[in-house]
Amino acid sequence: DAGVIQSPRHEVTEMGQEVTLRCKPISGHDYLFWYRQTMMRGLELLIYFNNNVPIDDSGMPEDRFSAKMPNASFSTLKIQPSEPRDSAVYFCASSRQGADEQYFGPGTRLTVT
Amino acid sequence: AQSVTQLDSQVPVFEEAPVELRCNYSSSVSVYLFWYVQYPNQGLQLLLKYLSGSTLVESINGFEAEFNKSQTSFHLRKPSVHISDTAEYFCAVRPLGGYNKLIFGAGTRLAVHP
Repeated sequence: DAGVIQSPRHEVTEMGQEVTLRCKPISGHDYLFWYRQTMMRGLELLIYFNNNVPIDDSGMPEDRFSAKMPNASFSTLKIQPSEPRDSAVYFCASSRQGADEQYFGPGTRLTVT
Repeated sequence: AQSVTQLDSQVPVFEEAPVELRCNYSSSVSVYLFWYVQYPNQGLQLLLKYLSGSTLVESINGFEAEFNKSQTSFHLRKPSVHISDTAEYFCAVRPLGGYNKLIFGAGTRLAVHP
């Protein structure tokens, strides 16, 4: 299996622009997680899905952030409008129902200028 | 609710020296315990886990961790570190049952010097 795939790997954008991050989980996995990692705040869980349904979005910073999972093989995290404080590495992870290990993607490094 | 505390944000150590990375957790229910490792510019990878049974668990690259229920700890140890062990290490817990949600600690940056 190719593992969790994230695109783009790097994104540089200007403040106010819309940013869309993409994730393809491992085939057969029922859970998908979006995390954000910064030096100041460490690793934060933003939202997670089970069978394409959002279960807990309490970690989403504010209304500028939204996430969707239209099918079992694709999810997006959108920031509109983006701000410099959104600069971070965003990770996607997936796991199987009942399994214990989460598999992480390589991350998307977002820089908002 | 659960929480994880990693007592050291950074641990510098010389090559071939032993190391211990400390992790304490708080939970009102039973939990599974994990250590993840993040090498520079990569995602997190599972290093080892405790689900049940023997309280001492080992990884394939020489790390071990011991679950201590009375002290609510899950410290990570290695008797002799290599330069290649330089990475950030995250302790995490997951409550038994329910959804597959992990609660991570803040991470410990292990820097191995020659």
